[in-house]
Amino acid sequence: KQEVTQIPAALSVPEGENLVLNCSFTDSAIYNLQWFRQDPGKGLTSLLLIQSSQREQTSGRLNASLDKSSGRSTLYIAASQPGDSATYLCAVYYVKTGGFKTIFGAGTRLFVKA
Amino acid sequence: EAGVAQSPRYKIIEKRQSVAFWCNPISGHATLYWYQQILGQGPKLLIQFQNNGVVDDSQLPKDRFSAERLKGVDSTLKIQPAKLEDSAVYLCASSSRRDRGLSSSYNEQFFGPGTRLTVL
Repeated sequence: KQEVTQIPAALSVPEGENLVLNCSFTDSAIYNLQWFRQDPGKGLTSLLLIQSSQREQTSGRLNASLDKSSGRSTLYIAASQPGDSATYLCAVYYVKTGGFKTIFGAGTRLFVKA
Repeated sequence: EAGVAQSPRYKIIEKRQSVAFWCNPISGHATLYWYQQILGQGPKLLIQFQNNGVVDDSQLPKDRFSAERLKGVDSTLKIQPAKLEDSAVYLCASSSRRDRGLSSSYNEQFFGPGTRLTVL
């Protein structure tokens, strides 16, 4: 069964700290993987999409890495800020007939204290 | 470019009533998704359209949920009759099949703001 797990479920850190969010998937035959941010009461905002052939992707203070063989991706946030407080979700894509199958993790709720 | 639009943003109904949600995807996006997100969980795919055809509706409770995408653009999702456990945020997303060269990312999904449904 294809499953996506995100650990930890919640995280509270002081401002300025570097942190790592984890996403693991049971089936390593992924097409690609996308990290999202979700603010309370809002939709999902795409942060980074990393192809299965890539090892990492960077955008500003964010860096996503991918290790297909071990079924893991990490989202690294440098110098965290209170504005980074949100829920971070990873979505894993698999190829299937007619398109892609998308499986989301349950998310990591991040709180950055000022 | 304009993002994915959804309406209404909030809806409160009583159980056994019916409700409909509307989604307008990003212009030119061929694929449209409806997700249900229960509080504290990740989004769960309900139905996926490619143009106006259904690609995946395996997790859609077809006894009460229905969706259509006439003309391959806008889409509506309906619940009839609603149950208490349908209380959730309903998210619409779209993606493009346009190949973007070296980093082909045509399955990258873009989400609307969602509709928060409360069933009393």
